[in-house]
Amino acid sequence: DAGVIQSPRHEVTEMGQEVTLRCKPISGHNSLFWYRQTMMRGLELLIYFNNNVPIDDSGMPEDRFSAKMPNASFSTLKIQPSEPRDSAVYFCASSFSGGGQPQHFGDGTRLSIL
Amino acid sequence: GQQLNQSPQSMFIQEGEDVSMNCTSSSIFNTWLWYKQDPGEGPVLLIALYKAGELTSNGRLTAQFGITRKDSFLNISASIPSDVGIYFCAGRVTSGTYKYIFGTGTRLKVLA
Repeated sequence: DAGVIQSPRHEVTEMGQEVTLRCKPISGHNSLFWYRQTMMRGLELLIYFNNNVPIDDSGMPEDRFSAKMPNASFSTLKIQPSEPRDSAVYFCASSFSGGGQPQHFGDGTRLSIL
Repeated sequence: GQQLNQSPQSMFIQEGEDVSMNCTSSSIFNTWLWYKQDPGEGPVLLIALYKAGELTSNGRLTAQFGITRKDSFLNISASIPSDVGIYFCAGRVTSGTYKYIFGTGTRLKVLA
């Protein structure tokens, strides 16, 4: 079975550009998480969706970040405008439980903002 | 804010040796998770713990929920080269929430 699928795997762009990261959760999972991983701060939860509804976006760094989940099989994380400090690995994870743990992670998108 | 301290930060061991690592918190947690992350991949959930004192195994891996509820331990027996990677703990303070705090990771390197 396919796991959580993220695209692109790598993204390099100049500051000020819009960046869109994509995630396809495991079919049947109803919880979706976006995380950011950096050496300095480790893994941080950005936003959590349950049944396609954003439940908590308090981890989103600032207004430049936005996330959507238009249906159960697709989510996007957008950064506009991007800044060098946004460089990180962004992970999407999904699970089949409302208040449960992020069980299945994708392989991440490595984002570099020049 | 809440932090999870993992120890050791990194370790080199010989193949066949047992490995122990731990995770400590200043807060009481009601759930502990342990993940392994390989280079270029996302974390993989290894073990989940839900009760103080609980001991759970997954193959050669055994994890324990500390009785103080402020710590957790992961042991790997008879290590093999594919055990190489970064091991993360994650804890949750409140039941029914999704907010897990991740530890800083223990990097394991196995010498064949």
